[in-house]
Amino acid sequence: KNQVEQSPQSLIILEGKNCTLQCNYTVSPFSNLRWYKQDTGRGPVSLTIMTFSENTKSNGRYTATLDADTKQSSLHITASQLSDSASYICVVTYTGGFKTIFGAGTRLFVKA
Amino acid sequence: GAVVSQHPSWVICKSGTSVKIECRSLDFQATTMFWYRQFPKQSLMLMATSNEGSKATYEQGVEKDKFLINHASLTLSTLTVTSAHPEDSSFYICSTNRDRAGELFFGEGSRLTVL
Repeated sequence: KNQVEQSPQSLIILEGKNCTLQCNYTVSPFSNLRWYKQDTGRGPVSLTIMTFSENTKSNGRYTATLDADTKQSSLHITASQLSDSASYICVVTYTGGFKTIFGAGTRLFVKA
Repeated sequence: GAVVSQHPSWVICKSGTSVKIECRSLDFQATTMFWYRQFPKQSLMLMATSNEGSKATYEQGVEKDKFLINHASLTLSTLTVTSAHPEDSSFYICSTNRDRAGELFFGEGSRLTVL
């Protein structure tokens, strides 16, 4: 069964700290994996997109990793800011791009 | 700037009325658009795939007569919630991509509240 699982479900950290969010998937054949940030009441915004051959990709304070062998991805946020408080959604596309599965998301709360 | 524009951003209606939500691609032609609904603290659930010039493809469990989708042009898809009821209250979001495996661009979402 094609699935995308994210952990933790929610996370509270102090401003300035780092954190890592996890995404495990079982879809096949894999096309790409994206991390999105969704602020409350807004549409998701893309942070990174990773294909099979990419291991690491950075976007400012966000760094995504992908291990295609173990089918795991992580999103590392460095020096968190209050504005990082949001839901982070892992999205995996497969079957040549015809199908997409969304993870349930990780809700991150950054406190002052 | 925004790639996908969604309107209205929020709407309140009486039970039994119909509500139309528009989704526009702003700088490219979108042959396919996706419609999702999202309940509080839950992830996006794909409702249907809107195809320009043909019938939409609905996900299992989504009533096509309840959620009417029209994709009459390459830049506009509409979702009409017919005879809305309080349980239809939700956050509806559309998305599209420039190519099949490319990045999904999302609209800002439409918050529907049915009284």
